[in-house]
Formats: sequence, C-alpha cells, structure tokens
Amino acid sequence: DGGITQSPKYLFRKEGQNVTLSCEQNLNHDAMYWYRQDPGQGLRLIYYSQIVNDFQKGDIAEGYSVSREKKESFPLTVTSAQKNPTAFYLCASSTTSGSTDTQYFGPGTRLTVL
Amino acid sequence: AQKITQTQPGMFVQEKEAVTLDCTYDTSDPSYGLFWYKQPSSGEMIFLIYQGSYDQQNATEGRYSLNFQKARKSANLVISASQLGDSAMYFCAMREASRVGAGGTSYGKLTFGQGTILTVHP
Repeated sequence: DGGITQSPKYLFRKEGQNVTLSCEQNLNHDAMYWYRQDPGQGLRLIYYSQIVNDFQKGDIAEGYSVSREKKESFPLTVTSAQKNPTAFYLCASSTTSGSTDTQYFGPGTRLTVL
Repeated sequence: AQKITQTQPGMFVQEKEAVTLDCTYDTSDPSYGLFWYKQPSSGEMIFLIYQGSYDQQNATEGRYSLNFQKARKSANLVISASQLGDSAMYFCAMREASRVGAGGTSYGKLTFGQGTILTVHP
C-alpha cells in the first residue's frame, strides 16, 4: 500500500533535548513538507523540500532542522532552541509543489515536552 | 490579512441531512487551488476535494461537493446525507501558484483556515 508513515506516534522529551521525527513516503512524490498544529488551530508550515538535497524554510522554521538525503525520507529535528515544541506534527507529500497538486498527510506525531 | 477564513467554529447536523461548511479566501493570484481536508480525532488529515481557480464546474467527490463562487471568493463544502462518521474537524486550504524568480522556483504555499468542528447527531 502506498502512503506516508510517521514515527513515533507519541514522543516525550525532556527540556534541552533534541528529538528527531521520522517521515517516510512510498508514493514517489518529489515534494515533502512538515507542519505543526497547536490545539484548536490550523496547520503552520515548518519546512518543505521540492527535491532531494534541497529544502526551504516555511513560516515557523526557528528551532527546527531537516534533511532530504533520499526521496522517500524527510526527517525533522526539533532542537532545544525551539521554545515551545509541544504540538502535533504532520508530514505531507505531493507530486510537485504546483498549485494544483494535492498534499497527502501522514498520521502525525504528538510531541510532549516534560 | 487572513488568507483563509472559516467563520463557523462549530456546526451541528442531524444524521442523513446536508450541511454546508463555509470558507472564504483572499488572493490576488489568478491561479490557485482550493482544498478541503477532514481531521478526525485520530489526527490524520484526510484529503476530501479540490477545486482549481480555472475550473468551470464545481468539484464533486461522492457525498462531498464544493460550492465555488469565484467572484465572492468563497469555496463552501457541502456534505450531503451526513453520517455519524463525518463528525470531525474540517479545514479549508488554499494553494497559490509557484513563482519562478531570480533565485529559482518558489513554493506555492498551502495556507489553512482555523477549521470547523462538525458534530453529526443520530
């Protein structure tokens, strides 16, 4: 089955620790994205990548880092510099980054900082 | 200014009835796409329906249809014959066109509204 997987589903972190969220897709999509969702809110873009070995900052990139070494994978690292990291994180992918291209989402990772 | 506005924080509908979820948008681009997603309590965002700015007809996907009124900049989602499983948060989103500039192609950003919680009563 084609789709997007994210792991872990739940993640707990102590303050001051970096954590990495996994996102893998087997849809052969070129573009991948990371979003953050806070309770009762819409999604905000953290980072996106239109092609392997290239990525750009979204609206709220501070305190986050990404890599795109493989087409299928786009991991997100939440660093200790992120002041309020507790949130729901969603990964998405699309064929390209054009205006008509639908983004498909993974199941999400819920991060809680203790 | 808000790019996407969903004015209904919550909506209630009786099972088997139709419901309309409102969405208005703001853009000066002639080329854009409008999307609706469903987010059940599990958290996953499920794509429902897409409408392109140049599409002449309203999009339909099964029980979902999009009432696209371009002049009014509205893209309301209509769910017919509501089911209990339709209870969820619904998000409207707009994607503007990518731009090619001196630095290369820039991403056509997908902007989400605040969402509407739909509750279907038996």
